[in-house]
Amino acid sequence: EAQVTQNPRYLITVTGKKLTVTCSQNMNHEYMSWYRQDPGLGLRQIYYSMNVEVTDKGDVPEGYKVSRKEKRNFPLILESPSPNQTSLYFCASSTFQQGAYNSPLHFGNGTRLTVT
Amino acid sequence: LAKTTQPISMDSYEGQEVNITCSHNNIATNDYITWYQQFPSQGPRFIIQGYKTKVTNEVASLFIPADRKSSTLSLPRVSLSDTAVYYCLVGGPQTGANNLFFGTGTRLTVIP
Repeated sequence: EAQVTQNPRYLITVTGKKLTVTCSQNMNHEYMSWYRQDPGLGLRQIYYSMNVEVTDKGDVPEGYKVSRKEKRNFPLILESPSPNQTSLYFCASSTFQQGAYNSPLHFGNGTRLTVT
Repeated sequence: LAKTTQPISMDSYEGQEVNITCSHNNIATNDYITWYQQFPSQGPRFIIQGYKTKVTNEVASLFIPADRKSSTLSLPRVSLSDTAVYYCLVGGPQTGANNLFFGTGTRLTVIP
């Protein structure tokens, strides 16, 4: 089954403790992206990747890191989490090859992060 | 940046047709219009996409006027399970992969 898998679904951590949220897709998509969703603010893009070893900042990249060493994986790293990073996070992927930005995004089921 | 504007919320009774309009005044020539549906605690799900005129699939219809500055998602005979947030997204080669603006969407509540 074609899907985007995020882990964990729920995560509670303390300020400053490094964490990684994993994202994996099995559709051979070139494009992957991370979003955070907060009440009243909708979905905001954190980072995106057009292909292996190609990543770039979205709207709200501060406090986050990503890597794209393999096509299928796009982990989101919080080196020193803070309470303002408490949010619902979504990973998405798409073909987007050769500038085909009309290709639909496929989303994971989300990771609810709480930083105390 | 092709931002979009949608109503924050809408209510509808079961069995009625629902039309949600999205405004995208800065749409670029090669941009497509895509609608997503999101249930609580789930990621958004693709519903329908179009470039101009009308597109219909098994779930919804999408109406796009000639100037393409707005679009209307039409859900026929809604049921309680259609209660969700609906997002209009505009994107294409000129918009870029880093400028896919979701906004806050429209929260549709279907009433029995």
